[in-house]
Amino acid sequence: QVQLKESGPGLVKPSEILSLTCTVSGVSISSYYWSWIRQSPGKGPEWIGYVDDSGATIYNPSLKSRVIISIDTSKSQISLRLTSASVTDTAMYYCASSYRSSWYGTFDFWGQGTLVAVSS
Amino acid sequence: EIVLTQSPGTLSLSPGETATLSCRASESLASNYLAWYRQRPGQPPSLLIYGASARATGSPDRFSGDGSGTDFTLTISGLEPEDFAVYYCQHYGSSVFTFGPGTTVDIK
Repeated sequence: QVQLKESGPGLVKPSEILSLTCTVSGVSISSYYWSWIRQSPGKGPEWIGYVDDSGATIYNPSLKSRVIISIDTSKSQISLRLTSASVTDTAMYYCASSYRSSWYGTFDFWGQGTLVAVSS
Repeated sequence: EIVLTQSPGTLSLSPGETATLSCRASESLASNYLAWYRQRPGQPPSLLIYGASARATGSPDRFSGDGSGTDFTLTISGLEPEDFAVYYCQHYGSSVFTFGPGTTVDIK
């Protein structure tokens, strides 16, 4: 069974780097694309970007200048770094997977999410 | 950039009734890449429908999807207690994933 677990600081100061990790278990990491998605309170989800097992990435154009997503296949971990954090980056951050072999552009499994607040 | 609009914003219904939710795109979509999710309070979204009309693994058969072009519909036939939640449509195209703002189905 696919399990995704997000971890990282729950509080980040404005202008600092928001950094999160997603640890994957129960699945071959090479079988999926791995996305970060965030959701502000009362809003729809917002896709941040994804990475594959080779380290290739695609980012949301609206966040591209501030985002780095990376993968460590030896640890089955996907990382997110968002620079120059601001209060508008306060959100629940999710890690999610998309099955590569049957591609419909969907998010098939999600972690439970981690809440990040940006505040001084 | 494709924008997804969902209506109504809130739908108030009783258990056992049928819910019809709409998702409209700002331009014509490839139907293969239109999905629906349900999000219960305190939980991540869960995939219900992909390819506009195919049920995801584990998705109950009371959920059905339809539509093409710019207009898509999710129908829930016979609302169960766990169906009172928020529903999102989502599109993939040009290497970008986009979600709609959601429809809340609450108990009347």
